[in-house]
Amino acid sequence: GDSVTQTEGPVTLSEGTSLTVNCSYETKQYPTLFWYVQYPGEGPQLLFKVPKANEKGSNRGFEATYNKEATSFHLQKASVQESDSAVYYCAPPSVGDNSKLIWGLGTSLVVNP
Amino acid sequence: GPKVLQIPSHQIIDMGQMVTLNCDPVSNHLYFYWYKQILGQQMEFLVNFYNGKVMEKSKLFKDQFSVERPDGSYFTLKIQPTALEDSAVYFCASSRLGGDTLYFGAGTRLSVL
Repeated sequence: GDSVTQTEGPVTLSEGTSLTVNCSYETKQYPTLFWYVQYPGEGPQLLFKVPKANEKGSNRGFEATYNKEATSFHLQKASVQESDSAVYYCAPPSVGDNSKLIWGLGTSLVVNP
Repeated sequence: GPKVLQIPSHQIIDMGQMVTLNCDPVSNHLYFYWYKQILGQQMEFLVNFYNGKVMEKSKLFKDQFSVERPDGSYFTLKIQPTALEDSAVYFCASSRLGGDTLYFGAGTRLSVL
């Protein structure tokens, strides 16, 4: 079945350092891919989405490329800030049911000043 | 941006009693979802709902759970009777179309004593 694997957290970084959160997925088709972010005490919210293979999405300095060949969708940011501390979810939709997203375990990011 | 409202934000209830969690989804959205998140753990899909019907449910959606959205009002999750293991944060989400961006509420923290 469809599945997603993410970098295991928590990831602890200092402000100004770079971030990579790996996301690999298994699916027989090529759906829109999503990154969501969940700040403490809130529900997840969309960070960005990429509808097409081999295209890049970005928002707030975060970016990810939908790599169809490698089935990867790694999240990167060149310089993290303390306010980026949150849980990040790579969420490809379940292809069998387009209305349900597969959620990975999420990657908790802690950025120290 | 679009807002999903969840009422109440926190509910404390004795085991065996009934509880109803309320969600006011984004006004023109057609798909509705409930997710469960135990503290520090991953987001887990419970159920999705479209056109007045449950489309898909996970194994976490026990027989004691039910959902409805009578006459376009609140989208509700009812648990009857509650069990200790139902203690968690329940997130409601909605989307315009299946597989589209999900908009989440801030969650209802349910504590079953």
